[in-house]
Amino acid sequence: EPEVTQTPSHQVTQMGQEVILRCVPISNHLYFYWYRQILGQKVEFLVSFYNNEISEKSEIFDDQFSVERPDGSNFTLKIRSTKLEDSAMYFCASSGDSQNTEAFFGQGTRLTVV
Amino acid sequence: DAKTTQPPSMDCAEGRAANLPCNHSTISGNEYVYWYRQIHSQGPQYIIHGLKNNETNEMASLIITEDRKSSTLILPHATLRDTAVYYCIVRTQYNFNKFYFGSGTKLNVKP
Repeated sequence: EPEVTQTPSHQVTQMGQEVILRCVPISNHLYFYWYRQILGQKVEFLVSFYNNEISEKSEIFDDQFSVERPDGSNFTLKIRSTKLEDSAMYFCASSGDSQNTEAFFGQGTRLTVV
Repeated sequence: DAKTTQPPSMDCAEGRAANLPCNHSTISGNEYVYWYRQIHSQGPQYIIHGLKNNETNEMASLIITEDRKSSTLILPHATLRDTAVYYCIVRTQYNFNKFYFGSGTKLNVKP
């Protein structure tokens, strides 16, 4: 069964450093997403990406964040200057392009900012 | 975001059916109801979705009321591994490029 894969599973970084979280979506999917979940809190939408551009973003997704699909298979989330409050699980997901298609999520990257 | 209401928690005995309700009284005609679950801090797992008709797959059944204002997810024989947070999500036709996760229902399956 196809799946969304994320690397690394755990990333520790110092405050102020840049991090890149990587995802390989399901190959024939067209929509790509990033979500985050701070420990003990809800799963929060960050951004969706379609046709090589951002489709929608939340207020959390500020100028510190960027997404890219550099090579047609990977989908990355970059945080330019990490803050302590960026510590969370980050989930990537992908789906087809209609309302009647489910999204599949990866197992997440646990980001710890120290 | 389309509004759903779910009880914060439910208990179920192992081997019995778990019936998880969701209220979505403001749902529009072309909006789908999706169910996901999250076990511990793993990635949300897709369970099932539907529009009007009841749906069944290998994991669960989805019962949608005729007026579509509520639905019930049924796990026919709950196991301890079904302990998770279950999310009912309405995916809008105008904004289907995201899934909005509310607080969900924490299902505790007990031996």
